[in-house]
Formats: sequence, structure tokens, C-alpha cells
Amino acid sequence: QQQVKQSPQSLIVQKGGISIINCAYENTAFDYFPWYQQFPGKGPALLIAIRPDVSEKKEGRFTISFNKSAKQFSLHIMDSQPGDSATYFCAASNSGGGADGLTFGKGTHLIIQP
Amino acid sequence: DAGVIQSPRHEVTEMGQEVTLRCKPISGHNSLFWYRQTMMRGLELLIYFNNNVPIDDSGMPEDRFSAKMPNASFSTLKIQPSEPRDSAVYFCASKLGGPGELFFGEGSRLTVL
Repeated sequence: QQQVKQSPQSLIVQKGGISIINCAYENTAFDYFPWYQQFPGKGPALLIAIRPDVSEKKEGRFTISFNKSAKQFSLHIMDSQPGDSATYFCAASNSGGGADGLTFGKGTHLIIQP
Repeated sequence: DAGVIQSPRHEVTEMGQEVTLRCKPISGHNSLFWYRQTMMRGLELLIYFNNNVPIDDSGMPEDRFSAKMPNASFSTLKIQPSEPRDSAVYFCASKLGGPGELFFGEGSRLTVL
């Protein structure tokens, strides 16, 4: 059972455009929602994270929007640059009860065209 | 400051052989995770440890897989016997307890022929 569903699988955006990646989760006990960025041959690295007590978090060109009632969250990359080309993973975890291993979405392969 | 260190980076082996993957977490981190990444299934959590104790191994695919953490600075993931379907990139990650940033190693790419 896939607990975090991510879309799209792949995305092509022109330089300067907005990249949007969406995720939906099922487990209402999840209380931590990070996004990870992965370049070829490297491990994923934390990009930005949000908790469900806020609806939006912004760090530079990256913004997470969170909709608790819909159980959805999304990543927006403003002014997308070729260096943003990577695979992006949304994730979720339940920090209570000791079950704090992250459950990842299947990833979005993002290509920013110059 | 060294990150999570994994070895080997690449392993090619034949079906039926034993494979051992190694991980050194970031010093001071008390939670360690093993993930497997494939195109079809994405990133799957195999097992994680808190303070060297296995907490959840429900993601370990079958009895051929085992993981140990004999001390705070070392963990192994063993596959015996290996099968072609085990071919994947295996990541080790560590963090301080509770919610927060998970630091990944660069992975061990396993190919089983």
C-alpha cells in the first residue's frame, strides 16, 4: 500500500518558469512532511520541510503548500533554473510512537530546459 | 565534517553469493536507516535502528536480508543468498532522534548477475 502518492512522474519546465510537484498522503498520523532533492549518483538531500500547523513555508525559490483537510502538499519552484534539474521526492513521517522512518513518494524527474 | 559513509560504492556479484554492505553514520546521530531504491518501487525503507536497537524491520523483503548495528558507528546490511531482483541502490541514512533532517550516504549500487 502506497502511503504517499506523488505526481507527476516527470516534468519539463522552461528556464524561469514555475515547477509544481504534488503529493497526497493517507495516514492522518503523519506530522512531518519534507521534500528531498536527488542528483544522479548521489543520495537524497533535504530541501525543505513543513509541519501540519502551517499552510505554507517558503525558503528562497522553494515553497511548500500544505492542505491538511485534503491531505495534500505540494512543492513550488519559482524561477526554475537548469541547476534545479534533479529528482524530487516528497516524504512523510509520524514522529510519535517511535515510528519516525520516512515514507517516500516515488519521485518526480524534473528537467529545466535552458 | 564527514557525512554518512557507505561501502562499497559499487558491487557486482553472481546470484547465490553473499553480499555485505557497510555504513558509518554521522557521529552523534542515534537513528540509522537502510533504504533501497529502484526505478519501479522508488525509495523503500528496509529497517531502522534507534540507539543501535532495531525498531522496525517490516520493510525487509525476506529472510535473505539481515541488518546489524553492533555499535553507534557501524551498521551492515547482508543479503544471503543474493538474487538478480536484489539489484538496486542501497542507501544508509542517519539523524538525531525525532523528526528532522535525514542525512543520506551516496549509496551502494548492487548488481546481481
